[in-house]
Amino acid sequence: DTGVSQNPRHKITKRGQNVTFRCDPISEHNRLYWYRQTLGQGPEFLTYFQNEAQLEKSRLLSDRFSAERPKGSFSTLEIQRTEQGDSAMYLCASSSNKDRIEETQYFGPGTRLLVL
Amino acid sequence: KQEVTQIPAALSVPEGENLVLNCSFTDSAIYNLQWFRQDPGKGLTSLLLIQSSQREQTSGRLNASLDKSSGRSTLYIAASQPGDSATYLCAVTGENTGFQKLVFGTGTRLLVSP
Repeated sequence: DTGVSQNPRHKITKRGQNVTFRCDPISEHNRLYWYRQTLGQGPEFLTYFQNEAQLEKSRLLSDRFSAERPKGSFSTLEIQRTEQGDSAMYLCASSSNKDRIEETQYFGPGTRLLVL
Repeated sequence: KQEVTQIPAALSVPEGENLVLNCSFTDSAIYNLQWFRQDPGKGLTSLLLIQSSQREQTSGRLNASLDKSSGRSTLYIAASQPGDSATYLCAVTGENTGFQKLVFGTGTRLLVSP
C-alpha cells in the first residue's frame, strides 16, 4: 500500500492552455474524490466516483472541468482553457465503502496549479 | 448549507503545553467528523474520525470529542512538540450534504516553538 499518488506535483501553465492531472488511489479503494484548495482555505469538494461512475459533481466544476475514472482505478481531472482563478492545489482522496458511514478519506499530496 | 468554523485561526505555544483546537458546524445532521493535519504545501493526513454516534476518539497524544447536538468538536493535543506544527482541519459529512462529501473548515495554523 503506497497511499494515494498524484502527478504532476506542480504545474505552471499559461492562461488558455489545457492541463490534465492524474490520481492513483489506494489499490483496494473503490471511491475516489477530487477537491480544490486555495491559499488559506479548507479544501472544497469537486466530484467523486464510485468505481467508474461519477456520482456527484459540485457547482464549482464548471463546463471547463472534466473528470474521468475509466476503469475504476486511476482518475484524471482536465481543465480546459485555464483561467488565473483556477490556480489552486488540487487534491485527490480515496476511500473504501466496506463501512458505509465510517469510511475515512485518505488524501494524496496534491497537484499545485499556477496559471499565469 | 453546512458551514464549518475553526477557532482560533492561528495558535502559537511553547513546547510541552497542552492545547485545544475548536471546530463548530451549523448543521448537526452529520454522519461523521474528521480531523486532518496539513503540512505546508502538502496533502492532508487523517488524524481521527468520529462517527456521529460517538463522543470521542483517541490516538496517542490526540483526543477528539464530539458534541453533535451543539455542533461542536474539539481536538486536544497533549504535551505538544515542535513536530506538531502544522495546519489542523476539521471536516464533516452529513445527511444534507451527502455522506461522501467532506465539508471543511478553514483550519487552525499551529506553531509549537522549542
